Amino acid sequence: DQQVKQNSPSLSVQEGRISILNCDYTNSMFDYFLWYKKYPAEGPTFLISISSIKDKNEDGRFTVFLNKSAKHLSLHIVPSQPGDSAVYFCAASEDGNQFYFGTGTSLTVIP
Amino acid sequence: NAGVTQTPKFRILKIGQSMTLQCTQDMNHNYMYWYRQDPGMGLKLIYYSVGAGITDKGEVPNGYNVSRSTTEDFPLRLELAAPSQTSVYFCASSSREGAVTEAFFGQGTRLTVV
Repeated sequence: DQQVKQNSPSLSVQEGRISILNCDYTNSMFDYFLWYKKYPAEGPTFLISISSIKDKNEDGRFTVFLNKSAKHLSLHIVPSQPGDSAVYFCAASEDGNQFYFGTGTSLTVIP
Repeated sequence: NAGVTQTPKFRILKIGQSMTLQCTQDMNHNYMYWYRQDPGMGLKLIYYSVGAGITDKGEVPNGYNVSRSTTEDFPLRLELAAPSQTSVYFCASSSREGAVTEAFFGQGTRLTVV
């Protein structure tokens, strides 16, 4: 009963190209969405967020898109850099407290 | 710039033993969280606290206890360790000043129960 799903366990992209990471959720009551980035042996670090009143949020090279009707969000990284190689988690919440995380997508950016 | 500090970083426990995972933050955040991450899985919320003296269960609270006597500290207690509690534990804190506020995570505690 995974409420947040990241169906691609891994993704490889050439440096300079766009990386698109996808996330689907099942609970229509989710209103808050975050993306975290995680390096091995470290805790996750916050990347970008979006609330349900928006359909897009942009921060530098990172853009998150939200399609509430499809219960789908995506993270776009452009241009991708080797330092972006990490595991990316999406997370969703109804109340901003109890977040449900996806299983992560391991991104490799090839120089 | 300590942020969120977790101790210990690694621990091996025998079945039935008890231990406390320590978590402290120096950002004066009201909100604190404990997550566990099993191999190949996402993080699952164990317990959270919205302020000193207040705690609430998350998605997977069974087998754990927490307390929040100060703003800074949020220890997680395992009373009778079981192999199913082998996991990486992350503590996090947040100010929740905005609608969607990031959480700051510690480096994690890798626990193995044998």
